Amino acid sequence: QSALTQPPSASGSLGQSVTISCTGTSSDVGAYNYVSWYQLHPGRAPKLMIYDVNKRPSGVPARFSGSKSGNTASLTVSGLQAEDEADYYCSSYAGSINLERFGGGTRLTVL
Amino acid sequence: QITLKESGPTLVKPTQTLTLTCTFSGFSLDTNGLGVGWIRQPPGKALEWLALIYWDDDKRYRPSLKNSLSISKDTSKNQVVLKMSNVDPVDTGTYYCARRYIYGSGGTFDTWGQGTMVAVSS
Repeated sequence: QSALTQPPSASGSLGQSVTISCTGTSSDVGAYNYVSWYQLHPGRAPKLMIYDVNKRPSGVPARFSGSKSGNTASLTVSGLQAEDEADYYCSSYAGSINLERFGGGTRLTVL
Repeated sequence: QITLKESGPTLVKPTQTLTLTCTFSGFSLDTNGLGVGWIRQPPGKALEWLALIYWDDDKRYRPSLKNSLSISKDTSKNQVVLKMSNVDPVDTGTYYCARRYIYGSGGTFDTWGQGTMVAVSS
């Protein structure tokens, strides 16, 4: 049950945009439109930022957006702010047996 | 406001059984379409889903750990308990519980607890 593939790090300057990729397979990302993205800050509860590929929960700024093409999903953060510096994990529904696969995480640094 | 909080031992010896409790508020686990799951993160590694219990008491387990995991719920106490038997040092990590919002054939973990760190060591 392999994890989804994310780059270990990403960075961008204040105000710029950055995109984080999440590559899975035809059994998870490619098969379902149930991709989620989570933000992890040390010592805090993980926060859902995107679900269903591109939907934002209430309270998540519009500068966070998601997309998917084939087996790869992406999270784009526009207008980077200092508080966006965190670890980001993608996940995808993977069927009723394997349920959910997570990515390896990407540390986003705001320069 | 929906909150979840994990509790349990910080240190467990190899071969013992680890028991973790998730106490939640702001929702009821007998509500159609909801579940509570456990996810862990070994140090420096990816998150991995472990177990999930649905509102109708249906239970799902990570296939590779199926024989060592048991999940249960106490709706009256708003608690979900995860038991992991015969633990090993590789089970060291941060354990999270999270609410699962289920719709269509999938869903998402929409609210998480802060996590609890567990070390498995003699």
